[in-house]
Amino acid sequence: KNQVEQSPQSLIILEGKNCTLQCNYTVSPFSNLRWYKQDTGRGPVSLTIMTFSENTKSNGRYTATLDADTKQSSLHITASQLSDSASYICVVRGGGGNKLTFGTGTQLKVEL
Amino acid sequence: DAGVIQSPRHEVTEMGQEVTLRCKPISGHDYLFWYRQTMMRGLELLIYFNNNVPIDDSGMPEDRFSAKMPNASFSTLKIQPSEPRDSAVYFCASRRDQLYNEQFFGPGTRLTVL
Repeated sequence: KNQVEQSPQSLIILEGKNCTLQCNYTVSPFSNLRWYKQDTGRGPVSLTIMTFSENTKSNGRYTATLDADTKQSSLHITASQLSDSASYICVVRGGGGNKLTFGTGTQLKVEL
Repeated sequence: DAGVIQSPRHEVTEMGQEVTLRCKPISGHDYLFWYRQTMMRGLELLIYFNNNVPIDDSGMPEDRFSAKMPNASFSTLKIQPSEPRDSAVYFCASRRDQLYNEQFFGPGTRLTVL
């Protein structure tokens, strides 16, 4: 069964600190992996997409990594800001029918 | 472009009532998706359309749910009759006609069934 597991479920950090969110998946065959940021009361917004051949990709203070061998991805946030407080959702495309499988997200709170 | 537009933003109704959620996709997008999000299950794909035609409705929970897309700029998701377990945030998203293009989500409709 295709699954996407995210950890931790929730995280609280101080402003200016770094953090790393994890995404492990069992989706096979793999097409791509996307990280979304979802602010409270809004729809998800794509941060980055990773394909099989990509190991790392940055979008400002966000850096995503992908290890297709171990089926793991991480999202690293550098110098966190209050506006980074959101839910971060990992979504993997692949498997039979090349469908999307969603993780349940990591709830990040950045405090002063 | 205004992005994906959903209405209403909030809906509170009583069990047994009919609920209709509305979506206007981004102009020029050929795909439209309906999702449901709950704390327990996260985001779940209910149904998606390509060029106004329903392609995969395997995520629709039961016959009480139905979706239509009469034209390229409008879609509805209807629940009849509604039940308390239908309480969730319902998102509509649209995408251009290329497989790996990004889906753009609307702001969602928060549905509460009492």
